[in-house]
Amino acid sequence: DAMVIQNPRYQVTQFGKPVTLSCSQTLNHNVMYWYQQKSSQAPKLLFHYYDKDFNNEADTPDNFQSRRPNTSFCFLDIRSPGLGDAAMYLCATSRDRVGGGYSNQPQHFGDGTRLSIL
Amino acid sequence: AQKVTQAQTEISVVEKEDVTLDCVYETRDTTYYLFWYKQPPSGELVFLIRRNSFDEQNEISGRYSWNFQKSTSSFNFTITASQVVDSAVYFCALSSNNAGNMLTFGGGTRLMVKP
Repeated sequence: DAMVIQNPRYQVTQFGKPVTLSCSQTLNHNVMYWYQQKSSQAPKLLFHYYDKDFNNEADTPDNFQSRRPNTSFCFLDIRSPGLGDAAMYLCATSRDRVGGGYSNQPQHFGDGTRLSIL
Repeated sequence: AQKVTQAQTEISVVEKEDVTLDCVYETRDTTYYLFWYKQPPSGELVFLIRRNSFDEQNEISGRYSWNFQKSTSSFNFTITASQVVDSAVYFCALSSNNAGNMLTFGGGTRLMVKP
């Protein structure tokens, strides 16, 4: 089945130690998103890629970076994780539509990576 | 600015009861899209439905139905004869081209269905 796969499912890192979360997709979608979701809250968009074009949300901390080496893969790098970065990180994909724009396209989410900071 | 409000933070029902999850939205755009997602305890968000702003037809899919009313800016979701497997957090979301194509989520409603 075509899907969005996130690895690992659970990640534990130390305060200040860089960590990378990965996401892959077999849907061949143009758009890939990274969300942060804290307990009992809605997902919060960090950034997204439209093909290779990177779009950062205004309030995403500089500590968070992303790479998309090809259509299938996208990585979230947290350079110096703090205790406040402990959360579930969700990757999602969507396709664009004929004529441009992708706001009407449903997003397909992975299972998420739950990040803990020691 | 866009906004989605899910006033019910938590609902608890007994199996086989019907339950309605409310969603009220705000947008200045005339063309927009509304979504419902389900997030079970396992964590992934599952897409349930999309509705275009120019299509107010209500929709039914099995035990699920959606009532879209532009006059009240609402997009409510009803589960008929609820089951334990329906227990999850449900998010209503809004997007539009003029708002950068991004989803604006409501705060979510946690539904607990007890046997």
